[in-house]
Amino acid sequence: SAVISQKPSRDICQRGTSLTIQCQVDSQVTMMFWYRQQPGQSLTLIATANQGSEATYESGFVIDKFPISRPNLTFSTLTVSNMSPEDSSIYLCSAVGGNNQPQHFGDGTRLSIL
Amino acid sequence: DQQVKQNSPSLSVQEGRISILNCDYTNSMFDYFLWYKKYPAEGPTFLISISSIKDKNEDGRFTVFLNKSAKHLSLHIVPSQPGDSAVYFCAASAYNYGQNFVFGPGTRLSVLP
Repeated sequence: SAVISQKPSRDICQRGTSLTIQCQVDSQVTMMFWYRQQPGQSLTLIATANQGSEATYESGFVIDKFPISRPNLTFSTLTVSNMSPEDSSIYLCSAVGGNNQPQHFGDGTRLSIL
Repeated sequence: DQQVKQNSPSLSVQEGRISILNCDYTNSMFDYFLWYKKYPAEGPTFLISISSIKDKNEDGRFTVFLNKSAKHLSLHIVPSQPGDSAVYFCAASAYNYGQNFVFGPGTRLSVLP
């Protein structure tokens, strides 16, 4: 299975600033995803990171707030823009090799906004 | 509206006994189901999956059962070990929806020595 590295693992940020989270996969994968896990909640899909084109966002998430890049088959970034305390969450990257295969996750980025 | 439900937020089991975690779903288009385990400060780890053409899949101590008519699946862990203590998430996807997984809220399993 793919090994997924995320960084930073955690950060504390000031309100109004932006943070970019990086996700690196050790092998080429077909699809990469970004999730958010708010305190005490389940995982919520933010968007599918599409290689070479704009990400596909789920309802409630917009590109201006969560711009995503995927320049190649093994790397993606998620930026959390103009952060507020409500953005304090764990952000997780995942990747999958094909249809009806499990997604594999990074260890997440724990983000706290003051 | 939650499409994937795990109605037990927590479960405690004695070491060596069976742990049964339950999951219900509402979307009849789901055709692929998975269980993930999550330890604190780590990402979810894939445990076992089942496609809708099967009703059972077994991998070592872990068995997943699928009842399509009831839209219900369960994860059995036998025998339970203290290292199994974690949060377990049920997830579902539909081929026609791509690889978008919908996750349940999770069940925290505590295996007592």
